Amino acid sequence: DAKTTQPTSMDCAEGRAANLPCNHSTISGNEYVYWYRQIHSQGPQYIIHGLKNNETNEMASLIITEDRKSSTLILPHATLRDTAVYYCIVRVLGSQGNLIFGKGTKLSVKP
Amino acid sequence: ETGVTQSPTHLIKTRGQQVTLRCSSQSGHNTVSWYQQALGQGPQFIFQYYREEENGRGNFPPRFSGLQFPNYSSELNVNALELDDSALYLCASSFGIWDLAGGSGNEQYFGPGTRLTVT
Repeated sequence: DAKTTQPTSMDCAEGRAANLPCNHSTISGNEYVYWYRQIHSQGPQYIIHGLKNNETNEMASLIITEDRKSSTLILPHATLRDTAVYYCIVRVLGSQGNLIFGKGTKLSVKP
Repeated sequence: ETGVTQSPTHLIKTRGQQVTLRCSSQSGHNTVSWYQQALGQGPQFIFQYYREEENGRGNFPPRFSGLQFPNYSSELNVNALELDDSALYLCASSFGIWDLAGGSGNEQYFGPGTRLTVT
């Protein structure tokens, strides 16, 4: 089973920030939080990952709480092309690097 | 685009047949992972190949097998196809494997997938 909990769906207005939450209350000290997204009928796309510090790249920002039990992916200015299923994943030690996907959050960006 | 390619794009097979799916990894990557994604579900890990050796396997029966070639491209073979094998099959390439000691991550880059329909 996936070690994360995400809302099933969320809506966001175009041009506004999209904040996608994820709970990972059983995360271990040296497990990373990864975010991927999957646009309809395409393969998942890597977005960002982090351990305990906040991270930012050209796509998004990742905010991890101090206790590391939850995180938020922020898309600062959502566009219609950001409509996708967003997966929050904890990299499990001993898994030889495979990703354990849950059902993710379906983000719908509306004009 | 990630540079990971898969063929064919779509495939229709009959129950009991065998199928081979192909994946070319991104330049510079030596690890390929395969995933199965049923409709409405997240991808499920099948197995991973690192330097031509299987390096981990998910909860899939032995009729799911694979190969990795010296150029790091890979094949997924499924024998005795069942109706439940209908899914999107994804491959992902990365450089190196998960660093168990340091916990550092090597992000995986996915191809567009092969849609397999078993009738």
